[in-house]
This record gives sequence, C-alpha cells and structure tokens, in this order.
Amino acid sequence: EVHLVESGGGSVRPGGSLRLSCAASGFTFSTYWMSWLRQAPGKGLEWVANMKEDGSEEDYVDSVRGRFTISRDNAKNSLYLQMNSLRAEDTAVYYCARDSGRRTVDYWGQGTLVTVSS
Amino acid sequence: DVVLTQSPLSLPVTLGQAASISCRSSRSLEKSDGNIYLSWFHQRPGQSPRRLIYEVSNRDSGVPDRFSGSGSATDFTLKINRVEAEDVGVYYCMQGTQWPYTFGQGTKLEIK
Repeated sequence: EVHLVESGGGSVRPGGSLRLSCAASGFTFSTYWMSWLRQAPGKGLEWVANMKEDGSEEDYVDSVRGRFTISRDNAKNSLYLQMNSLRAEDTAVYYCARDSGRRTVDYWGQGTLVTVSS
Repeated sequence: DVVLTQSPLSLPVTLGQAASISCRSSRSLEKSDGNIYLSWFHQRPGQSPRRLIYEVSNRDSGVPDRFSGSGSATDFTLKINRVEAEDVGVYYCMQGTQWPYTFGQGTKLEIK
C-alpha cells in the first residue's frame, strides 16, 4: 500500500526558512515523478513543484521559483522541499504526492501545516 | 497559466439524485500527443484529496461507477449518479497539459 508521510511543518516568521520532508513507502520511489502541492486555509489547491524520477528535472510555480527548492534522495525514499524567504501567502497545508505518470497525481500524503506569521 | 473555471461553486443535492459539475478551460487541454490531461479530485472535510478520474473519463480503481467524466478540448463534466451521503465535500478539476498544472476553484457538494 502506498504511504506518503510529510513532516517539518510549523510556524515561522516572514523571511524565515523551513524544510519539509516526505517519507514514501509501498512503491518503488525511484521510478516516479514526485510533487509538492499546497492548500491555503479554506482555499483551493495549488501545485508548487515537481521533480523527475532521477532528480534531473524539476519545475516550480512562478510564485515560489527562486525561493523554494525541491529535492529527493532515492536511497532514502524521501522527497524534500526547502522553503526560504517565506511570506505570509505561503501559509498552507503542504502535500506530498506521487505523479502517476499521466500528468496527474494519484496518491497524496496527509499534509503538513506551514504558518508564516509575525 | 491555464485557468479552469468550475460551475456551480455550490451544489445542494438530494440523496439519490444526480449531480453535474462543469469545468471550463481557458485554452484547449489537448496536448500534442493527442491526450487530454484533465483529472477530477474529491476532498472530504479534513482529508487529503482523492483522485476520481484521470484523462477526462478514466475512473480510478475503487471509484464507484456512479462517477463519470466526459468532455473535450475546453469543456468537461463530472457527473455523479444517485448521490450518496459519502459524496459530500469539494470537487476539483485539474489540468496537467501545460505547466504549471492548475486546479479549478472547487465545487462544494452538500446534501439538501
């Protein structure tokens, strides 16, 4: 059974940094693109970043490009999101998700809450 | 970015009745490979989203056949036959044809 477990969320002041982690199990992690998505409180869903199976390709939504960095460690079955220069508008539940290979995601983690506030 | 516009945003439905959600795209979602990367997700309160449909009309494993997707180019529909209590929540369409992948604003289904 596919399991994705995010961690690393918390409260941070504007301009601060956080690193999110996602532990994957139940599938061959190294053969799937992986993504981070987010959902602001009471709002809709937004794709944040994705990364190719071997880490050789990555892409970001414009609002986070240059501030966030997605990475992965296939030996540890883990996905990461380094978030720098955080802003109030980055406040959201961040989800790790598996790309199903058809330009969509099929499994989501339970999410981790990031709150950016002074 | 591709903008997806869902309607209605609120959908009160009587148990056992049918429901329909529209998703319109600001541009054609047909990719150069001939595929249309339009998915539907359902999010119950307090839970992570769950995918229901991918590539317009392909139902995910375990999704009841009461759910069906249809459409082409810029106009897509999710239909739910015989709505049940467990169907409450927010439904989102999502496009994977062009980066950044984007979602509709969501349609909240509630039982009358």
